[in-house]
Amino acid sequence: AQSVTQLDSQVPVFEEAPVELRCNYSSSVSVYLFWYVQYPNQGLQLLLKYLSGSTLVESINGFEAEFNKSQTSFHLRKPSVHISDTAEYFCAVSREDSSYKLIFGSGTRLLVRP
Amino acid sequence: NAGVMQNPRHLVRRRGQEARLRCSPMKGHSHVYWYRQLPEEGLKFMVYLQKENIIDESGMPKERFSAEFPKEGPSILRIQQVVRGDSAAYFCASSPIKEETQYFGPGTRLLVL
Repeated sequence: AQSVTQLDSQVPVFEEAPVELRCNYSSSVSVYLFWYVQYPNQGLQLLLKYLSGSTLVESINGFEAEFNKSQTSFHLRKPSVHISDTAEYFCAVSREDSSYKLIFGSGTRLLVRP
Repeated sequence: NAGVMQNPRHLVRRRGQEARLRCSPMKGHSHVYWYRQLPEEGLKFMVYLQKENIIDESGMPKERFSAEFPKEGPSILRIQQVVRGDSAAYFCASSPIKEETQYFGPGTRLLVL
């Protein structure tokens, strides 16, 4: 069975500082990896995804994540955060042979302070 | 192209009543997934449907919960005889074909009094 672990429930950081949100997964077969962002009282927005190919994927708003197969990780990073990045971030995995249903981590709340 | 739509956005029910949550997938999308987010938790998969078919309901509670996606109209998640533990945010996601990327709606926040 698959599982996703987000070790940090909350990450406080000052504006313009770098941040890394950690995600580890366990699966015996190949998976697809995703980061979703949820702003207060809203739905989830896809931030970025890894399906295949280059292990480094980027979003349009400066986030990036690197798939590391040996460490079964998909950490999310941003070199300089903004106040507007304050949100809940969810890491998720899915498998083609499991109807592509998403298995989510428990989430990391990013709190950006001025 | 409108995104995934869910209604109502907020729903209040008393214990024992029925809750009906609706999801209209994005245009051209024929696959629908339902997820539940309990307070302070991540999302948990409930059910995966295609038009007129339930494909995977491994995450659905065995009793009181049902889902459908008719040939015409939105997908419906139905909760009978609601209890306080059903209070949660229910999210619908859709995809165009059986593929890896899902697009989420804004959710329905159910409060059971």
